[in-house]
Amino acid sequence: DAGITQSPRHKVTETGTPVTLRCHQTENHRYMYWYRQDPGHGLRLIHYSYGVKDTDKGEVSDGYSVSRSKTEDFLLTLESATSSQTSVYFCAISVQGPYEQYFGPGTRLTVT
Amino acid sequence: EDKVVQSPLSLVVHEGDTVTLNCSYEVTNFRSLLWYKQEKKAPTFLFMLTSSGIEKKSGRLSSILDKKELFSILNITATQTGDSAVYLCAVPTQGGSEKLVFGKGTKLTVNP
Repeated sequence: DAGITQSPRHKVTETGTPVTLRCHQTENHRYMYWYRQDPGHGLRLIHYSYGVKDTDKGEVSDGYSVSRSKTEDFLLTLESATSSQTSVYFCAISVQGPYEQYFGPGTRLTVT
Repeated sequence: EDKVVQSPLSLVVHEGDTVTLNCSYEVTNFRSLLWYKQEKKAPTFLFMLTSSGIEKKSGRLSSILDKKELFSILNITATQTGDSAVYLCAVPTQGGSEKLVFGKGTKLTVNP
C-alpha cells in the first residue's frame, strides 16, 4: 500500500462548473501524476509534478490545471467542466523508481 | 513520438489455459518496460523489465523483454478466473521526469 488517497471518489457536476480533485500521499514521494482513463484510449497523462510547485503538462492537459503547494497533496482542477471530461481520474506516485508508479483508487467524474 | 502497442485487445480463454500477451514499443531512449494488472479498480504493478533484467517471474506469471525486436510478452500459465483483468504495458517516455506512456491494454477474460 503506497498510501495514496483520492477525493472525492465519485462526483457528478454540471457543464461549466469548476471541479477540483485531490490526491494525497503519506510517504513524501517526489513525483506525482494525474491520468485519465477512457474506453478505447487507455491511461493518458494529464499533468505531473516533480516537486513542490514544480509541475508540467502531459499529453492531454488542455482544460486542466494543477497545483502542488505541499509534498503530500496534488490537486487537479477543471476550471469549467465539459462533457468530454467525463472520465475516471487516477493519481499516481513514483515509489521505488525509476518509473515504477503506484496508483490511487480513482475518481469517477461525470459532467452532465 | 513514443508509442506502446498491445495485442490482442481482448482474449477469452478457459481456466487452465496458458495465455501470452504482447507489447511492442517505440521509444527514443529505452530504459524500462512495466506491466500492470487492472481489475475493476486502479492498476496494480506486476513487473518492471530493464536492460539488466530481461526476465521476471512471479508464480504463474512471467515476462520477458526482447530489446532487439522491441517487444515484451507476459505469460500466464494455468489461468484462473481471478486472472480476468486488463493488462497494461508502459514505457518511460523520453525526456526523463519519470513519465510513462501506456498501451491501451489487453482485456483477458478467463471462463470457468
